[in-house]
Amino acid sequence: EAGVTQSPRYAVLQEGQAVSFWCDPISGHDTLYWYQQPRDQGPQLLVYFRDEAVIDNSQLPSDRFSAVRPKGTNSTLKIQSAKQGDTATYLCASSFCGGYYAEQFFGPGTRLTVL
Amino acid sequence: AQSVTQPDARVTVSEGASLQLRCKYSYFGTPYLFWYVQYPRQGLQLLLKYYPGDPVVQGVNGFEAEFSKSNSSFHLRKASVHWSDWAVYFCAVKRGSNYKLTFGKGTLLTVTP
Repeated sequence: EAGVTQSPRYAVLQEGQAVSFWCDPISGHDTLYWYQQPRDQGPQLLVYFRDEAVIDNSQLPSDRFSAVRPKGTNSTLKIQSAKQGDTATYLCASSFCGGYYAEQFFGPGTRLTVL
Repeated sequence: AQSVTQPDARVTVSEGASLQLRCKYSYFGTPYLFWYVQYPRQGLQLLLKYYPGDPVVQGVNGFEAEFSKSNSSFHLRKASVHWSDWAVYFCAVKRGSNYKLTFGKGTLLTVTP
């Protein structure tokens, strides 16, 4: 069974540029999560979906970050006008349902550097 | 608000020695607790999980953890560390109607020969 895949694996930008990250969850998983992991920190949830609906985006900086999952499968996270403070690894995870017993499976992440 | 604290940013252990990585949680109610491992340039992998029941839970690769309600702790243990265990270990708690995972800052485990 294929795991969670993400692309690109690395991205280097100048401040002010835009970037998109793409995630393909495990087949059949209805819940998809995006995390931001700054260097030497634990992952912090940005947004998560059940099917195509956003369940929680309270930690997503809405002025520059956006996330979609239009068909309830793949997802794209986009940063408009990146800042140096956005430098981090962006992890995607998926699970079947989202309750207490649902295990989240993580992709390898996209390491973003904003110069 | 819930939180997870991993008080040790880095732990160094000799190969073959025993290991304990500490995790303290702050949560009202029944916590659902997890340990994840992150190898270099890889995503997180689940080591073990605690759901209300037996306080000692077994995980993969010889890891186990013990839940203590009185100490608000969920420490990770291994009897004999291997060099391949060199990685960052994260403790996490899941809670609330949205079942959000909150992670600690992680502990880097280094293994010496």
